[in-house]
Amino acid sequence: DTAVSQTPKYLVTQMGNDKSIKCEQNLGHDTMYWYKQDSKKFLKIMFSYNNKELIINETVPNRFSPKSPDKAHLNLHINSLELGDSAVYFCASSQGGNNSPLHFGNGTRLTVT
Amino acid sequence: GQNIDQPTEMTATEGAIVQINCTYQTSGFNGLFWYQQHAGEAPTFLSYNVLDGLEEKGRFSSFLSRSKGYSYLLLKELQMKDSASYLCAVFSGGYNKLIFGAGTRLAVHP
Repeated sequence: DTAVSQTPKYLVTQMGNDKSIKCEQNLGHDTMYWYKQDSKKFLKIMFSYNNKELIINETVPNRFSPKSPDKAHLNLHINSLELGDSAVYFCASSQGGNNSPLHFGNGTRLTVT
Repeated sequence: GQNIDQPTEMTATEGAIVQINCTYQTSGFNGLFWYQQHAGEAPTFLSYNVLDGLEEKGRFSSFLSRSKGYSYLLLKELQMKDSASYLCAVFSGGYNKLIFGAGTRLAVHP
Protein backbone atom coordinates (compact mmCIF):
# COMPACT_ATOMS: atom_id res chain seq x y z
CA ASP A 1 0.00 0.00 0.00
CA THR A 2 1.19 3.52 -0.77
CA ALA A 3 1.19 5.46 2.46
CA VAL A 4 2.98 7.29 5.20
CA SER A 5 3.73 4.83 7.96
CA GLN A 6 5.12 5.59 11.37
CA THR A 7 6.11 3.37 14.28
CA PRO A 8 5.37 2.78 17.04
CA LYS A 9 1.66 3.62 17.26
CA TYR A 10 1.81 3.91 21.05
CA LEU A 11 4.79 4.78 23.22
CA VAL A 12 4.65 4.88 27.02
CA THR A 13 7.83 5.83 28.82
CA GLN A 14 9.16 7.51 31.92
CA MET A 15 10.52 11.01 32.35
CA GLY A 16 14.17 11.32 31.49
CA ASN A 17 14.22 8.50 28.95
CA ASP A 18 15.27 8.83 25.30
CA LYS A 19 12.97 7.53 22.57
CA SER A 20 12.69 7.50 18.78
CA ILE A 21 9.78 7.51 16.36
CA LYS A 22 10.30 6.30 12.81
CA CYS A 23 8.52 7.46 9.67
CA GLU A 24 8.62 6.21 6.10
CA GLN A 25 6.73 7.27 3.00
CA ASN A 26 6.51 5.40 -0.30
CA LEU A 27 4.64 8.13 -2.17
CA GLY A 28 7.79 9.44 -3.85
CA HIS A 29 7.39 12.82 -2.11
CA ASP A 30 10.30 15.19 -1.65
CA THR A 31 9.14 16.89 1.54
CA MET A 32 8.47 15.36 4.97
CA TYR A 33 7.23 16.88 8.22
CA TRP A 34 6.76 16.28 11.91
CA TYR A 35 3.70 17.76 13.59
CA LYS A 36 2.70 17.64 17.27
CA GLN A 37 -0.96 17.46 18.29
CA ASP A 38 -1.55 18.31 21.93
CA SER A 39 -4.46 17.43 24.20
CA LYS A 40 -6.48 20.34 22.81
CA LYS A 41 -6.09 18.83 19.33
CA PHE A 42 -4.01 21.76 18.08
CA LEU A 43 -1.73 20.53 15.29
CA LYS A 44 1.59 22.37 15.32
CA ILE A 45 4.48 22.04 12.88
CA MET A 46 7.84 21.06 14.36
CA PHE A 47 10.16 20.29 11.46
CA SER A 48 10.20 19.97 7.70
CA TYR A 49 12.78 18.35 5.44
CA ASN A 50 13.07 18.66 1.68
CA ASN A 51 15.17 16.00 0.03
CA LYS A 52 17.01 15.23 3.27
CA GLU A 53 17.68 18.90 4.07
CA LEU A 54 16.14 20.70 7.05
CA ILE A 55 14.01 23.63 5.81
CA ILE A 56 11.67 24.35 8.72
CA ASN A 57 12.69 24.24 12.35
CA GLU A 58 10.07 25.79 14.59
CA THR A 59 10.73 26.80 18.16
CA VAL A 60 11.25 23.27 19.39
CA PRO A 61 13.52 22.32 22.34
CA ASN A 62 16.83 20.94 21.14
CA ARG A 63 15.96 17.71 22.96
CA PHE A 64 14.08 16.95 19.73
CA SER A 65 16.36 15.96 16.88
CA PRO A 66 15.01 14.92 13.47
CA LYS A 67 17.09 12.80 11.13
CA SER A 68 16.48 12.10 7.46
CA PRO A 69 18.74 9.35 6.10
CA ASP A 70 17.04 9.61 2.71
CA LYS A 71 14.05 11.46 1.29
CA ALA A 72 11.69 8.58 2.09
CA HIS A 73 12.49 8.53 5.80
CA LEU A 74 12.26 11.10 8.58
CA ASN A 75 12.83 9.92 12.13
CA LEU A 76 12.38 11.86 15.35
CA HIS A 77 14.58 11.30 18.37
CA ILE A 78 13.64 12.82 21.71
CA ASN A 79 16.11 13.07 24.59
CA SER A 80 15.35 13.48 28.29
CA LEU A 81 11.60 13.16 27.88
CA GLU A 82 9.38 15.47 29.95
CA LEU A 83 5.73 15.24 30.99
CA GLY A 84 4.86 18.06 28.58
CA ASP A 85 6.08 15.99 25.64
CA SER A 86 3.00 13.78 25.97
CA ALA A 87 1.06 14.25 22.73
CA VAL A 88 0.31 12.61 19.41
CA TYR A 89 3.14 13.06 16.90
CA PHE A 90 2.21 12.96 13.21
CA CYS A 91 4.59 12.45 10.33
CA ALA A 92 3.48 13.78 6.94
CA SER A 93 4.78 14.10 3.40
CA SER A 94 3.97 16.17 0.32
CA GLN A 95 5.18 16.75 -3.23
CA GLY A 96 6.45 20.13 -2.07
CA GLY A 97 4.50 22.66 -4.14
CA ASN A 98 2.10 25.17 -2.60
CA ASN A 99 -0.91 23.26 -3.88
CA SER A 100 0.34 19.88 -2.66
CA PRO A 101 -1.69 18.47 0.21
CA LEU A 102 0.08 16.84 3.11
CA HIS A 103 -0.46 13.12 3.58
CA PHE A 104 -0.34 12.15 7.24
CA GLY A 105 0.73 8.98 8.97
CA ASN A 106 -1.55 7.47 11.62
CA GLY A 107 0.26 9.14 14.48
CA THR A 108 2.29 8.02 17.48
CA ARG A 109 0.64 8.58 20.85
CA LEU A 110 3.45 9.35 23.29
CA THR A 111 2.71 9.21 27.01
CA VAL A 112 5.39 10.30 29.44
CA THR A 113 4.83 9.26 33.06
CA GLY B 1 1.79 37.05 13.56
CA GLN B 2 -0.07 33.95 12.52
CA ASN B 3 -3.68 33.46 13.56
CA ILE B 4 -6.30 31.06 12.27
CA ASP B 5 -9.73 31.08 13.94
CA GLN B 6 -12.54 28.56 13.70
CA PRO B 7 -15.47 27.74 15.99
CA THR B 8 -14.59 25.11 18.56
CA GLU B 9 -17.74 23.00 18.24
CA MET B 10 -20.81 22.72 16.06
CA THR B 11 -23.78 20.39 15.99
CA ALA B 12 -26.06 19.54 13.09
CA THR B 13 -28.76 17.08 12.09
CA GLU B 14 -28.37 14.20 9.69
CA GLY B 15 -29.40 15.25 6.17
CA ALA B 16 -28.90 18.96 6.87
CA ILE B 17 -26.30 21.44 5.60
CA VAL B 18 -23.59 22.94 7.82
CA GLN B 19 -21.09 25.72 7.17
CA ILE B 20 -17.82 25.85 9.09
CA ASN B 21 -16.10 29.22 8.97
CA CYS B 22 -12.40 30.02 9.15
CA THR B 23 -10.71 33.40 9.35
CA TYR B 24 -6.98 33.84 9.07
CA GLN B 25 -4.28 36.45 9.50
CA THR B 26 -0.93 35.16 8.33
CA SER B 27 2.34 36.60 7.11
CA GLY B 28 1.96 35.56 3.50
CA PHE B 29 -0.65 33.38 1.85
CA ASN B 30 -0.05 30.58 -0.61
CA GLY B 31 -3.29 28.63 -0.33
CA LEU B 32 -5.81 27.25 2.16
CA PHE B 33 -6.60 23.62 2.92
CA TRP B 34 -9.41 21.88 4.74
CA TYR B 35 -8.76 18.56 6.46
CA GLN B 36 -11.06 16.09 8.20
CA GLN B 37 -9.88 14.23 11.30
CA HIS B 38 -11.87 11.47 12.97
CA ALA B 39 -11.09 10.80 16.63
CA GLY B 40 -7.88 8.83 17.00
CA GLU B 41 -7.06 8.98 13.31
CA ALA B 42 -4.85 10.98 10.95
CA PRO B 43 -6.06 14.17 9.26
CA THR B 44 -7.17 13.53 5.68
CA PHE B 45 -7.22 16.09 2.88
CA LEU B 46 -10.62 17.48 1.83
CA SER B 47 -10.08 20.59 -0.30
CA TYR B 48 -7.69 23.29 -1.47
CA ASN B 49 -8.35 26.93 -2.41
CA VAL B 50 -5.83 29.45 -3.66
CA LEU B 51 -8.05 31.72 -5.77
CA ASP B 52 -11.22 33.47 -4.62
CA GLY B 53 -14.40 31.54 -5.12
CA LEU B 54 -16.06 28.21 -4.54
CA GLU B 55 -14.53 24.77 -5.09
CA GLU B 56 -17.04 21.92 -5.13
CA LYS B 57 -16.23 18.29 -4.49
CA GLY B 58 -19.26 16.06 -4.11
CA ARG B 59 -21.04 16.82 -0.83
CA PHE B 60 -18.23 19.13 0.27
CA SER B 61 -17.54 22.66 -1.00
CA SER B 62 -14.98 25.20 0.12
CA PHE B 63 -15.01 28.96 -0.41
CA LEU B 64 -12.21 31.50 -0.20
CA SER B 65 -12.08 35.30 -0.02
CA ARG B 66 -8.45 36.40 0.16
CA SER B 67 -9.31 40.09 0.66
CA LYS B 68 -11.34 39.20 3.76
CA GLY B 69 -9.01 36.48 5.03
CA TYR B 70 -12.01 34.17 5.14
CA SER B 71 -12.93 30.67 4.10
CA TYR B 72 -15.76 28.28 4.78
CA LEU B 73 -16.34 24.57 4.35
CA LEU B 74 -19.88 23.59 3.38
CA LEU B 75 -21.07 20.07 4.06
CA LYS B 76 -24.35 18.99 2.43
CA GLU B 77 -26.60 16.00 3.08
CA LEU B 78 -24.88 15.36 6.37
CA GLN B 79 -24.26 11.77 7.39
CA MET B 80 -23.41 10.36 10.80
CA LYS B 81 -19.93 9.51 9.54
CA ASP B 82 -19.29 13.25 9.01
CA SER B 83 -18.95 13.62 12.79
CA ALA B 84 -15.30 14.60 13.04
CA SER B 85 -12.99 17.58 13.52
CA TYR B 86 -12.50 19.88 10.55
CA LEU B 87 -9.17 21.67 10.35
CA CYS B 88 -8.52 24.84 8.41
CA ALA B 89 -4.86 25.26 7.39
CA VAL B 90 -2.97 28.01 5.55
CA PHE B 91 0.24 27.75 3.55
CA SER B 92 2.16 30.74 4.82
CA GLY B 93 5.48 32.13 3.71
CA GLY B 94 8.04 29.99 1.98
CA TYR B 95 9.09 26.39 2.38
CA ASN B 96 5.58 24.90 2.41
CA LYS B 97 4.82 25.86 5.99
CA LEU B 98 1.27 24.66 6.62
CA ILE B 99 -0.25 26.28 9.71
CA PHE B 100 -3.36 24.73 11.22
CA GLY B 101 -6.26 26.23 13.12
CA ALA B 102 -7.40 24.50 16.29
CA GLY B 103 -10.17 22.67 14.43
CA THR B 104 -13.96 22.56 14.65
CA ARG B 105 -15.51 19.49 16.22
CA LEU B 106 -18.72 18.67 14.36
CA ALA B 107 -21.31 16.36 15.91
CA VAL B 108 -24.02 15.05 13.58
CA HIS B 109 -27.20 13.85 15.32
CA PRO B 110 -29.98 11.64 13.93
